[in-house]
Amino acid sequence: GQNIDQPTEMTATEGAIVQINCTYQTSGFNGLFWYQQHAGEAPTFLSYNVLDGLEEKGRFSSFLSRSKGYSYLLLKELQMKDSASYLCARGGGATNKLIFGTGTLLAVQP
Amino acid sequence: EAGVTQSPTHLIKTRGQQVTLRCSPISGHTSVYWYQQALGLGLQFLLWYDEGEERNRGNFPPRFSGRQFPNYSSELNVNALELEDSALYLCASSLTTGGASYNSPLHFGNGTRLTVT
Repeated sequence: GQNIDQPTEMTATEGAIVQINCTYQTSGFNGLFWYQQHAGEAPTFLSYNVLDGLEEKGRFSSFLSRSKGYSYLLLKELQMKDSASYLCARGGGATNKLIFGTGTLLAVQP
Repeated sequence: EAGVTQSPTHLIKTRGQQVTLRCSPISGHTSVYWYQQALGLGLQFLLWYDEGEERNRGNFPPRFSGRQFPNYSSELNVNALELEDSALYLCASSLTTGGASYNSPLHFGNGTRLTVT
């Protein structure tokens, strides 16, 4: 992905907690999105951060540090159905387009 | 509410041919975005339409084009297909032109899988 970096793959155990990191280029920043994409399906919106700090939504939380160009998605109480690709996307300022990372493929094991 | 719908779901074309992909946004959404998702490359921004106008395009050659109709549905046309055009083409819609706010995230369709042989 253009100017967005996230790990390619991660593995975690059912019931555990996993943190997926994302770093991005800060120029023209206009919000940070996380999407979940199961194989063969459309990406679905998970979270949006525009201010620094942690946004919690049930088992999923997302954190943003604008000064560091850094975000993470935290998944708690992992379930097998959480096995998917997690896409970090940065709002592109005046261009009004989302720039996506290549995604992190998370495998949840029993 | 019905989600973003795309057609066809799968398509096989040969090199040099032309293809048209279709997208219907969520009712009430005026902005439509097209993304290409090739293996290992993530989602690459192609085009953004709003209110019938092309607002922005990504780093793709001119043989990638499209349009948005008065009912906000959209078409993506690819001419002179090349092998590397094989990918999943995703359409997304949003409520506002920004697509970058909590109230109007992008909502994606299931995509059209294009294979060029």
